[in-house]
Formats: sequence, C-alpha cells, structure tokens
Amino acid sequence: AQSVAQPEDQVNVAEGNPLTVKCTYSVSGNPYLFWYVQYPNRGLQFLLKYITGDNLVKGSYGFEAEFNKSQTSFHLKKPSALVSDSALYFCAVSRSGGYNKLIFGAGTRLAVHP
Amino acid sequence: NAGVTQTPKFQVLKTGQSMTLQCAQDMNHNSMYWYRQDPGMGLRLIYYSASEGTTDKGEVPNGYNVSRLNKREFSLRLESAAPSQTSVYFCASSERDGNTIYFGEGSWLTVV
Repeated sequence: AQSVAQPEDQVNVAEGNPLTVKCTYSVSGNPYLFWYVQYPNRGLQFLLKYITGDNLVKGSYGFEAEFNKSQTSFHLKKPSALVSDSALYFCAVSRSGGYNKLIFGAGTRLAVHP
Repeated sequence: NAGVTQTPKFQVLKTGQSMTLQCAQDMNHNSMYWYRQDPGMGLRLIYYSASEGTTDKGEVPNGYNVSRLNKREFSLRLESAAPSQTSVYFCASSERDGNTIYFGEGSWLTVV
C-alpha cells in the first residue's frame, strides 16, 4: 500500500533563511511524487513533481525538491524564504505504471516570520 | 481559464438532509476525484472516476454517492447528512490517474 509521511506539523523559518519541508513515502515500484501548496480558504495548487530523470526537481515560486530513492524521501526546499510562502504544504505519491491514485500526506504548515 | 469549478462554496445542512455538490472541469481531463479535508488529516479520497462511465470508492466512501454525468461533470451526493460529514470538500481532475491533479476552490459544508 502507498503512504506518505510529513513528520512535521509546522515549520518555522525566518524570512531570507533557507527552508526545508520534509516528506517520506512508501510505495511498491517506482513513485510519482508531488508537492502542492494551499493558501487559506483556497484549493491546492501544484508546485512540482518527480516522475523520472534528474533527482533535483525545480518548480513554481522558486521551490525545488530532491528525490532520494535510498532514503525514500522527497523534501521540499527553497534557498530564501518569503513571508508570502507561509501556507500549508502537501506531499503526495502515486505508483507508476497502471492505474494508481494519488495519496496525500497530512500536510505541513510553513510559517515564515519577518 | 476556469479549470475545476465546484458549487456551492458554502452550505449548512441539518442532520438527515440531502444535498449534491456539483463539479465541472473544462480541461478535457479523463479522471476526476472528490476529496475531503479535515484538520490534521490531510486530504482523503472519497470517490474517483478514472474515465467517463466509471466510478470507484476511495478511502472514505461511506455516506456518499457519486455520478460521473459526462466527461466534464462529477457530482457528489450526501443522501442523509451527518455531523461527521462537516468538512471541506474538494473536487479535482487529471488527464489520467497518476498525473498532476488540479483542484477546485473547495466547498465548505457544515452539518448541524
């Protein structure tokens, strides 16, 4: 069975500092991995995804994520946080091949302080 | 670009009442989904439709029914609402399962 873990309920970062939001996954076979962001009272917005290829994936708003197969992780990173990055972030996983649903983690709230 | 549109945005129901959440996408996507979002639990899949004419249960289907009316529309029905169904509901679509999912803005449902 597929599962996603986001071990931190909340991450606090000072503006201008680098940020990391952690995600680990469990899936049989090769994973499709996604990050989504949710601003208050809005739907989820797609940030980036890993399907295959380069382990470092670049996405929207300066975010990137690194796929680490040995550690089954897909951590979201940004070199310099902005106050406007404060939001709820969701990691999601699907199994490649055939017909497979996307499973979401519980979410991590990112708070960037001025 | 409308993307995924769901209605209503807000609804208050009394226990036992029924209602239907409507969803439509204009991206010609094959797959559509209904999720619910509860604090601390992330998004849980209620039902999904891999393609027009097919529907399948997700993680939390009890108390819900769905209809894939055509390729564009996927509705979610609560036959007899319960307070445990108070939640935020999101409709979503993707070109096919496993691909990037695009979400609607959400429907806030309160059952009293």
